Amino acid sequence: AQSVTQLDSHVSVSEGTPVLLRCNYSSSYSPSLFWYVQHPNKGLQLLLKYTSAATLVKGINGFEAEFKKSETSFHLTKPSAHMSDAAEYFCVVSGGATNKLIFGTGTLLAVQP
Amino acid sequence: NAGVTQTPKFRVLKTGQSMTLLCAQDMNHEYMYWYRQDPGMGLRLIHYSVGEGTTAKGEVPDGYNVSRLKKQNFLLGLESAAPSQTSVYFCASSYLRTSGRGSTDTQYFGPGTRLTVL
Repeated sequence: AQSVTQLDSHVSVSEGTPVLLRCNYSSSYSPSLFWYVQHPNKGLQLLLKYTSAATLVKGINGFEAEFKKSETSFHLTKPSAHMSDAAEYFCVVSGGATNKLIFGTGTLLAVQP
Repeated sequence: NAGVTQTPKFRVLKTGQSMTLLCAQDMNHEYMYWYRQDPGMGLRLIHYSVGEGTTAKGEVPDGYNVSRLKKQNFLLGLESAAPSQTSVYFCASSYLRTSGRGSTDTQYFGPGTRLTVL
């Protein structure tokens, strides 16, 4: 069975400081992992995805995530937060023939001026 | 391309009423999905379809039915709405690209439908 755990439900940072959103996964086989972002009252947008090519994955808007198999983690980072980064972020695992996604419960990122 | 579209965007129902949510995609995707999003629970899969004429149950299928009569459309029906079905509903689609490590690809999401059942 697959699952994903987002370790923080809320994260608050100041503009210009680094962002770290933590995600651990569980999978009985090598997973595909995604980070999606949802701005208030909007749909979901793909930030980045890991599908085994490189362990450090770069996404849009300066975000990146590192796949660490030994730690079963896929943390999302950004060197410098911007006000427009305030949103909810979902870590997602998928796999199998039907491409079903398993979502984490989300991390709400607040960016203070 | 419009991508994935959903209609309606908002709806208020009374308990016991029925309605159908429409999802349409113009990317020729084989796979389509319906999710519901509730506070603190992320998105949960209701039903999905791996091709025209096929449907399957997801994690939370009770109280919902679906149909995929055309490849580009995926309908979600509520036969007798209940307050517990108050939620935001998202449709998504993807096509299958075999990666050699299982089969997976990006899902593209619609803008959502906010449903309130009184």
